[in-house]
Amino acid sequence: SQQGEEDPQALSIQEGENATMNCSYKTSINNLQWYRQNSGRGLVHLILIRSNEREKHSGRLRVTLDTSKKSSSLLITASRAADTASYFCATDWKSSGDKLTFGTGTRLAVRP
Amino acid sequence: ETGVTQSPTHLIKTRGQQVTLRCSSQSGHNTVSWYQQALGQGPQFIFQYYREEENGRGNFPPRFSGLQFPNYSSELNVNALELDDSALYLCASSSRYPVEQFFGPGTRLTVL
Repeated sequence: SQQGEEDPQALSIQEGENATMNCSYKTSINNLQWYRQNSGRGLVHLILIRSNEREKHSGRLRVTLDTSKKSSSLLITASRAADTASYFCATDWKSSGDKLTFGTGTRLAVRP
Repeated sequence: ETGVTQSPTHLIKTRGQQVTLRCSSQSGHNTVSWYQQALGQGPQFIFQYYREEENGRGNFPPRFSGLQFPNYSSELNVNALELDDSALYLCASSSRYPVEQFFGPGTRLTVL
């Protein structure tokens, strides 16, 4: 079963705008990661945030983590058409090791 | 692109048949995880192999089995195929926890 859900399920924005997607999960975690998937192909790792971190940046990406609410958000600033993809959060917890549990994903469409 | 390769790219089987999917891990990685991704869903963890031993299993029946070889490549075998086994099968390799997982492009399995 899925660990949680991404919200919204789908998002359509204009190039240059910011995109925010949220992830909620059910159990206490060690780490949360965000992945991107283009057109049903392999996933590409974007960023990892540990449970004791609250915010992390990587280029145009900003991830926040609120463990009290069991939620995370991914912000993509100044979006580009090439950012069009599905975005998934994935969590692992103490007994799972590095076995990931993925959310349901957000489909992002960036209009040129 | 990651250094993880999968074969074949696409596969069509009929119900009841058996299938073997293959994965070559990225150089230096000793852990391979397999995921099943149904259309419109996030990947679901099938099992993981670490140094040729199964190292955790998700909620999949025993007809899903695997192997890891001394060069850390891996196979996923599915017996007695069912229609619901139609999905994208992804393998991912990693080294030490907690690090990102590197995904292959996937094998699209269709069961008729």
